[in-house]
Amino acid sequence: EAGVAQSPRYKIIEKRQSVAFWCNPISGHATLYWYQQILGQGPKLLIQFQNNGVVDDSQLPKDRFSAERLKGVDSTLKIQPAKLEDSAVYLCASSRSWGGDEQFFGPGTRLTVL
Amino acid sequence: DQQVKQNSPSLSVQEGRISILNCDYTNSMFDYFLWYKKYPAEGPTFLISISSIKDKNEDGRFTVFLNKSAKHLSLHIVPSQPGDSAVYFCAARLHTGRRALTFGSGTRLQVQP
Repeated sequence: EAGVAQSPRYKIIEKRQSVAFWCNPISGHATLYWYQQILGQGPKLLIQFQNNGVVDDSQLPKDRFSAERLKGVDSTLKIQPAKLEDSAVYLCASSRSWGGDEQFFGPGTRLTVL
Repeated sequence: DQQVKQNSPSLSVQEGRISILNCDYTNSMFDYFLWYKKYPAEGPTFLISISSIKDKNEDGRFTVFLNKSAKHLSLHIVPSQPGDSAVYFCAARLHTGRRALTFGSGTRLQVQP
């Protein structure tokens, strides 16, 4: 079974630029999560999708972050414009269902904002 | 407001000895707890979990203990192996509503050969 795929693995941008990350969850997993992990901290949930609907985006900075999950499969997370404090690893995870006990994580995208 | 805390950023143990990683939480609405292991440049991988109705769960060399009254859980690894060297995250899930995980800040375990 293929795991969660993410791309790119690394990205360096200037502040005020835009960036997008892509995630392909495990086949058949209905729930998809985006987490932000700042250096020295644990992952923090940004947004949770159930199929193609948003379950929770309460911690997503909506003035600059957006995410979509078209057709309930792949997802993209966008930052526009980026700030220095957005430098972090962005992790995508999926689980079989909403409330699924085990979340499977992708390798993450390391973003550096200069 | 850190609802899940791992107060030890690092831990070093000798191969073959026991590793004990600790985690405290403040929200009594958490009903499910998990431990994830993370190697560099990889995403976290699920290790072991425990429901709030239990006080112990064991899987091979890994045992998780839950003390609800103290809002404390711990992960025991016996015997520790060099391949166990990684960052370990404690995570918790709410009883209702949002089912996403709240993570601690992690403990880096180094197992010395």
